[in-house]
Order: sequence, then structure tokens, then C-alpha cells
Amino acid sequence: GAVVSQHPSWVICKSGTSVKIECRSLDFQATTMFWYRQFPKQSLMLMATSNEGSKATYEQGVEKDKFLINHASLTLSTLTVTSAHPEDSSFYICSARKRETEAFFGQGTRLTVV
Amino acid sequence: GQNIDQPTEMTATEGAIVQINCTYQTSGFNGLFWYQQHAGEAPTFLSYNVLDGLEEKGRFSSFLSRSKGYSYLLLKELQMKDSASYLCAVMDSNYQLIWGAGTKLIIKP
Repeated sequence: GAVVSQHPSWVICKSGTSVKIECRSLDFQATTMFWYRQFPKQSLMLMATSNEGSKATYEQGVEKDKFLINHASLTLSTLTVTSAHPEDSSFYICSARKRETEAFFGQGTRLTVV
Repeated sequence: GQNIDQPTEMTATEGAIVQINCTYQTSGFNGLFWYQQHAGEAPTFLSYNVLDGLEEKGRFSSFLSRSKGYSYLLLKELQMKDSASYLCAVMDSNYQLIWGAGTKLIIKP
């Protein structure tokens, strides 16, 4: 397999602040990374597709100004939740594509906004 | 529209065999994945099928029939640690993953 490191694993922040989540592919280059969100007992929901060196493609209903995605290098993508509110509390997971048929997940980040 | 269907929950006994079904309707097909997800953790990759037939990997096997839009994940010699959600996902013609809602598998002693 391959290793995708997501940091932090969990974070608690105050309402109105911003939180940055990092996703790194440690032993391969990932031209494409995906960001997912998962609510309790629900399926993964794709938020956006991030391509290195270009703007992310957001899924319908996902606010691009609220969820800022930066894919500055072939091994790093970041998701910044701006002006977080309690309803943004969720499990965020990144996935890095190694080949068309292989994508590896980060450990996930549990965000709690208080 | 695109749709992935799998049972919401299944219960099985330790040491037994269980089959989790997945049916799909997607725009194009570039393979079907099965992932295992323990509560609170990220999914881990189990299998990938792109051709019809059965792929066996230890205690886990995955089957695909493209003409029927159908797959199943077969788990043998169930262990308590197999209690998890099992997610079926199809890669469509744009190489995007379409996710099922997951099947929660409960293993009883």
C-alpha cells in the first residue's frame, strides 16, 4: 500500500475561528486528492477534488469560500474551514490518488466546533 | 441518476460466513471498490474489481457482474474484529468514486 498522513487527527475550535487540515502523501506523488466529509452513521460525501497546481473542483452545495482547498505540491493538499460554526463539526477525510485505480485515505480529522 | 444500493445492516455469528451485496447504476464504469470502516476511523481498502468474476484475498472475496450491475463481498471465518461498516464504491466514467451508504456488520459471539 501507500501512506497518506492527515493532520491533525482531531481538533476542537471556537466558533468563528478557522481550522486547517493537512493531507500528505508520504511515499508517492498524488496529482489528485479528494476531500470527503462524513456525518455520523452516513456515507462519505465528496466535497471537492483537488488537482495539483490548479483550482479545486467543488461538489454542488459545498461553499468554496468556506472550505478553502490548496494543492500546492504533489504531496500536500490542505483544507481550511473558515469561520467555523458548530454545524461544521464532522469527520473530514482526505484521499490521495496514486493511480487511476488506487486511492489511499488519510486517517481522518474529527472537527468539533464549540 | 447514479445510485449504489447496499443493505443498511447485517448480523452474523463469529466463525460463520456473510455475503454483503451491492447493486449499482452509474454513468460509466471503471471498477468497483470495497472498503472497511471501523467506527470513527477512515476507510481502508479491501478490494477492487473491474472484470467479471471472483477475486479472493484471504478470508475476504469480492465478486462482480457488470451486466447485472452487481457485486458482493464475502467474508469467511468471521472474527469479532470484522464488526465494521463495509462501503461499496463505483468509479464512474470520470474516475470519480460514487459511494454507497455502507453496510453495518454486527458480529455476535
